Amino acid sequence: DTAVSQTPKYLVTQMGNDKSIKCEQNLGHDTMYWYKQDSKKFLKIMFSYNNKELIINETVPNRFSPKSPDKAHLNLHINSLELGDSAVYFCASSPTIGANVLTFGAGSRLTVL
Amino acid sequence: AQSVTQPDIHITVSEGASLELRCNYSYGATPYLFWYVQSPGQGLQLLLKYFSGDTLVQGIKGFEAEFKRSQSSFNLRKPSVHWSDAAEYFCAVGAAGQAGTALIFGKGTTLSVSS
Repeated sequence: DTAVSQTPKYLVTQMGNDKSIKCEQNLGHDTMYWYKQDSKKFLKIMFSYNNKELIINETVPNRFSPKSPDKAHLNLHINSLELGDSAVYFCASSPTIGANVLTFGAGSRLTVL
Repeated sequence: AQSVTQPDIHITVSEGASLELRCNYSYGATPYLFWYVQSPGQGLQLLLKYFSGDTLVQGIKGFEAEFKRSQSSFNLRKPSVHWSDAAEYFCAVGAAGQAGTALIFGKGTTLSVSS
């Protein structure tokens, strides 16, 4: 049973398209996150939700829209994809807000052509 | 500004040799500190964490780290490296229980193990 699962694992698409990445956790955690890992492997927080409420929204283009239908799910929708969006997107969860032990998904590698 | 610095981008160690990966942080509040490991094509796995108490913490896979407040450091060590330890290592810092905060990661250190 995978604790934090993301789909799809790989995504190749053309510039201008819209795509979504889904994340689900079965750990009963309250808080979920999206991190972006760039080509130099630098990890940067994008969004965080606690019990379906948005609590962190970093300086991210508004083409990126997270959605949390319930506390076990956090999806990421990206409109009008650009070349610079190519990265690995990691979903993570933690028991509560703030610095906690994060459990990461395996990542979703997005390639924009 | 809150930040984590991992000064070594890439380290190569012989199998069986000891390892130390450096991490320095800058954080306004009392920090909670973490080391994560990322194997190729995988997500990040927690190696160990420091919240409070004993400044030498033990983790999985034989790793340990020492918190030195005076030096703002949290270096990761292993006495004898195995070939399977080759991976990307990330140090992270944060503050527990504070809404609006998340872990801040360093840029990582790539560990190669030579035979």
